[in-house]
Amino acid sequence: GQQVMQIPQYQHVQEGEDFTTYCNSSTTLSNIQWYKQRPGGHPVFLIQLVKSGEVKKQKRLTFQFGEAKKNSSLHITATQTTDVGTYFCAGFTGTASKLTFGTGTRLQVTL
Amino acid sequence: DTGVSQNPRHKITKRGQNVTFRCDPISEHNRLYWYRQTLGQGPEFLTYFQNEAQLEKSRLLSDRFSAERPKGSFSTLEIQRTEQGDSAMYLCASSSLAGVETQYFGPGTRLLVL
Repeated sequence: GQQVMQIPQYQHVQEGEDFTTYCNSSTTLSNIQWYKQRPGGHPVFLIQLVKSGEVKKQKRLTFQFGEAKKNSSLHITATQTTDVGTYFCAGFTGTASKLTFGTGTRLQVTL
Repeated sequence: DTGVSQNPRHKITKRGQNVTFRCDPISEHNRLYWYRQTLGQGPEFLTYFQNEAQLEKSRLLSDRFSAERPKGSFSTLEIQRTEQGDSAMYLCASSSLAGVETQYFGPGTRLLVL
């Protein structure tokens, strides 16, 4: 079945440092979504990427979808303590409505 | 609050008991999803409904699990003869068919089977 892996599993940075998480799917994705889950919370939708090579920005967050539509990345510039949480990528394959989540990257930010 | 709601938020039960969880989606959303999330893992898809029709079920959903959405609004997830391995967070999400299929998640029901 489809597998979606993320690296790193965990990253601890000091406030102000940059952070990147990488997402790799075993199969081609029709689109990819990113979610953030705060400790003790539920996943919250951040963004969706659809086109091959697409890049989208949300303030300090930059999202990229690979040319082959099998990988994606999320980059946070100048992290803040409010960025703490686990970031999940999630993808659809074909026309299926089943969303397969990645393994997640937990981000810890300290002052 | 017009978001997705789930009840109860926490459930502790003894092995072998039946439990039922409820999800109330965002009112205009016609798609409803159930996921299971264990500690340190991403949510795993269980099943989804479009209106009242259950369109897909994961192989994770054993015979002891059943989900319904009788009127195309709220949904229930029942687990019969619970096992310790069923302990997890059960998340519900809803989405609209229009535009980007953003799934809005509820707060989840945390189940502990003793």
